[in-house]
Amino acid sequence: EAGVAQSPRYKIIEKRQSVAFWCNPISGHATLYWYQQILGQGPKLLIQFQNNGVVDDSQLPKDRFSAERLKGVDSTLKIQPAKLEDSAVYLCASSPDISAEAFFGQGTRLTVV
Amino acid sequence: GEDVEQSLFLSVREGDSSVINCTYTDSSSTYLYWYKQEPGAGLQLLTYIFSNMDMKQDQRLTVLLNKKDKHLSLRIADTQTGDSAIYFCAEGYTGGFKTIFGAGTRLFVKA
Repeated sequence: EAGVAQSPRYKIIEKRQSVAFWCNPISGHATLYWYQQILGQGPKLLIQFQNNGVVDDSQLPKDRFSAERLKGVDSTLKIQPAKLEDSAVYLCASSPDISAEAFFGQGTRLTVV
Repeated sequence: GEDVEQSLFLSVREGDSSVINCTYTDSSSTYLYWYKQEPGAGLQLLTYIFSNMDMKQDQRLTVLLNKKDKHLSLRIADTQTGDSAIYFCAEGYTGGFKTIFGAGTRLFVKA
C-alpha cells in the first residue's frame, strides 16, 4: 500500500515569497491533517480536513496560511508571504476516519532566508 | 490548558531497557500515544493506550499510565541500535481533534 506522498521534500525561499506544498493521502482516507514541526519541537496541528470540509483550523495563521482539499483527495498548503519563523518541516498525515491511526508522510522541509 | 512535557535526551546501552517519560496536563484526553521519528522520516505510531487503562504491552514495548499523576511512560526492553530515534508522547481526544504532541525525547543507543 502506498503511503502518504508529499512534495517537494525540500524548499528554500526568501522571506516575503510564496510557497505551496502538496500532499496525496493514502487512497480512501477521508481525514487529512497538516502539521508544522519546528526544529526541536513536536508537531503542531495546523488544519484538519474530513473529506473536503475543514474540521479544525484553529491553529492556522490565516493571515498568511491557507489550505484546500478539493474533491476530498489531494491537498495543498500555501504560505503567502513567508516569514523567517515559518522555517519548519510541514507534515501531512491521513487516516481512514477521524478516530483512526494517522499515517504520516516524510514531510517538506521549508527554509526561509 | 493542554501541555505535554518530555525530557529531551536519553542514552542507554544496547541490550538495556529504555524508559521514556511524559507528563500531560489535560485529564479529558481519550488516548495517549507514542510515536517514533527517525531522521528524515515522518512519524510512525508505535502504540497507544486508552485513558481508562493502566498498562499495555506490545512485544518489547510496555506503556504505563498513571492517571492520578498524569504520567505516561514507554519502556523498550532489550534496546537495539535501530531503536535510536526521537520518541514523541501525544494526547488525543475522541473525534480525533487536535492531537497535542510533546517536544520529543531523543534516544541514543550505544553499542
